[in-house]
Amino acid sequence: DARVTQTPRHKVTEMGQEVTMRCQPILGHNTVFWYRQTMMQGLELLAYFRNRAPLDDSGMPKDRFSAEMPDATLATLKIQPSEPRDSAVYFCASGRDQNNEQFFGPGTRLTVL
Amino acid sequence: AQKVTQAQTEISVVEKEDVTLDCVYETRDTTYYLFWYKQPPSGELVFLIRRNSFDEQNEISGRYSWNFQKSTSSFNFTITASQVVDSAVYFCALYNNNDMRFGAGTRLTVKP
Repeated sequence: DARVTQTPRHKVTEMGQEVTMRCQPILGHNTVFWYRQTMMQGLELLAYFRNRAPLDDSGMPKDRFSAEMPDATLATLKIQPSEPRDSAVYFCASGRDQNNEQFFGPGTRLTVL
Repeated sequence: AQKVTQAQTEISVVEKEDVTLDCVYETRDTTYYLFWYKQPPSGELVFLIRRNSFDEQNEISGRYSWNFQKSTSSFNFTITASQVVDSAVYFCALYNNNDMRFGAGTRLTVKP
């Protein structure tokens, strides 16, 4: 049963520290999405890759966030420096086509103190 | 701009009752995709259905059914004979032009 995996599942860090979240998409999927979920804002799309190329990252604060896909089996979301307002659950999702079903990972719960 | 509105923040029903979750969307485009996802207490988002804007056929899957009405820009979700395991937050989402917008979600509680 193929699943999207995300590491770490939980991360507590102090303000100013760098945070890297990793995602392994389902083998054969060519699209990867990063979302952030907070109580106040709900689910927000941060970045979107197709065939490892970034197609849209307009939802991402560019000054501190960066998203990459070094290879087809790994997507990363980095925050540097982290701030308390970045505390949220970050979800990665993958799919075969941008219009199709997205399979979500379990999320990384980030707490920035 | 695209927008999804789920006006019902929380719904509580007793087991075996039918319940409908409302979803209204806004988009200027004629080609778009609509989704429903379920987020149980475990936190993972589970895909329920995808609909493209050219397919207005209603769909039934077991106890779940969806009513897509382009005329009212609505894509409502009905659970028949609800069960305690249906308790979750349900999200409606709209996808178009590399933009995926989720509604705020409806928290459904099914009491035994």
